[in-house]
Amino acid sequence: DGGITQSPKYLFRKEGQNVTLSCEQNLNHDAMYWYRQDPGQGLRLIYYSQIVNDFQKGDIAEGYSVSREKKESFPLTVTSAQKNPTAFYLCASRHTSGSYNEQFFGPGTRLTVL
Amino acid sequence: QKEVEQNSGPLSVPEGAIASLNCTYSDRGSQSFFWYRQYSGKSPELIMSIYSNGDKEDGRFTAQLNKASQYVSLLIRDSQPSDSATYLCAVNAGRDSGGGADGLTFGKGTHLIIQP
Repeated sequence: DGGITQSPKYLFRKEGQNVTLSCEQNLNHDAMYWYRQDPGQGLRLIYYSQIVNDFQKGDIAEGYSVSREKKESFPLTVTSAQKNPTAFYLCASRHTSGSYNEQFFGPGTRLTVL
Repeated sequence: QKEVEQNSGPLSVPEGAIASLNCTYSDRGSQSFFWYRQYSGKSPELIMSIYSNGDKEDGRFTAQLNKASQYVSLLIRDSQPSDSATYLCAVNAGRDSGGGADGLTFGKGTHLIIQP
């Protein structure tokens, strides 16, 4: 099946811990994105990557880090520097060729800080 | 600060009626506009995209764009209880000169309730 997968579905973190959220896609998309959603809020962009080995900060990158070593994978690390990490984390991807910008989302990871 | 504004609702519509959802955006350079549907606890699902002024229809959904007024809307005809969800408006606000793969700016969403 083609699509975007995220793991784990639920994640619990103790204060002071770093945790890594996985995002994989087999759609052959070039660009990948990480968003965060808080209750009653829209999505906010954390990081994005247009090509392998390159990524850019979004609007709320502080306390997060990413890597893009493979086209299919774009993991997000939530570091201990992120003061309020409890949220729903969503990964998305899209083609960069052509004139359309449609992004498709994975199922999300719900992170809770204990 | 680029912004996308939506009425949070809830918007309550009788089954079979037309639901009308509205969105305004602040960046005149925006080029791409999207509507996502999000069920409670789930990830957003793309239902419509629109890139030029006017109407775009897909089944029971019609997206309308007016760039001069910086306004985009979504109409849902023959509303069904399964349409009850939060609808997110998203705009590619051109963070860099290339546009395209630079992330979307989202509104907070409108909660739609279809009453049987």
